[in-house]
Amino acid sequence: DADVTQTPRNRITKTGKRIMLECSQTKGHDRMYWYRQDPGLGLRLIYYSFDVKDINKGEISDGYSVSRQAQAKFSLSLESAIPNQTALYFCATSAGAFDQPQHFGDGTRLSIL
Amino acid sequence: SQELEQSPQSLIVQEGKNLTINCTSSKTLYGLYWYKQKYGEGLIFLMMLQKGGEEKSHEKITAKLDEKKQQSSLHITASQPSHAGIYLCGAEYTGTASKLTFGTGTRLQVTL
Repeated sequence: DADVTQTPRNRITKTGKRIMLECSQTKGHDRMYWYRQDPGLGLRLIYYSFDVKDINKGEISDGYSVSRQAQAKFSLSLESAIPNQTALYFCATSAGAFDQPQHFGDGTRLSIL
Repeated sequence: SQELEQSPQSLIVQEGKNLTINCTSSKTLYGLYWYKQKYGEGLIFLMMLQKGGEEKSHEKITAKLDEKKQQSSLHITASQPSHAGIYLCGAEYTGTASKLTFGTGTRLQVTL
């Protein structure tokens, strides 16, 4: 089983819909991250959480919200989806502090029509 | 991010050839991470460099961090089709609390 699991893997939806992407991990890591990947723009950080009570905005948080339900679960919501939020979304975890690599899920491909 | 530039953007090499990918930061790096991504899939951690002049190898892939800690190179020796994918560098800067800034990636194709 994957250490970092994202659901769904693919989603097609319409403009204006509320969407939730879920991430769960079995690595026991405190830190979790949400990124989006767009062609030519690399990965950009949306939100991150260093523990259950800590939520921080990343580089591009507008139009998104998150919830850290437990150490192992971190969900990303699009309150009212718009076409330019079409992207590949990644969840990642890390053990914290410096020198610790982030471990990524397989991504959710989201298309908003 | 303009803080971190990767080059080239894409690369096509013949199987067996060597290649180098560069990652240049506009400011001093605390740490530099290399990842590989297969098309449409998640990122796989390759290696992390922190000390100026450091060099690490894994199988046929070698990464170096220059002395000034502002540039890293990833070198693949005798490329194979299994090396194909997107290579991304991620920068960790002092004071950014383990957040990574990623380059835009280098897309590598290996032809037979």
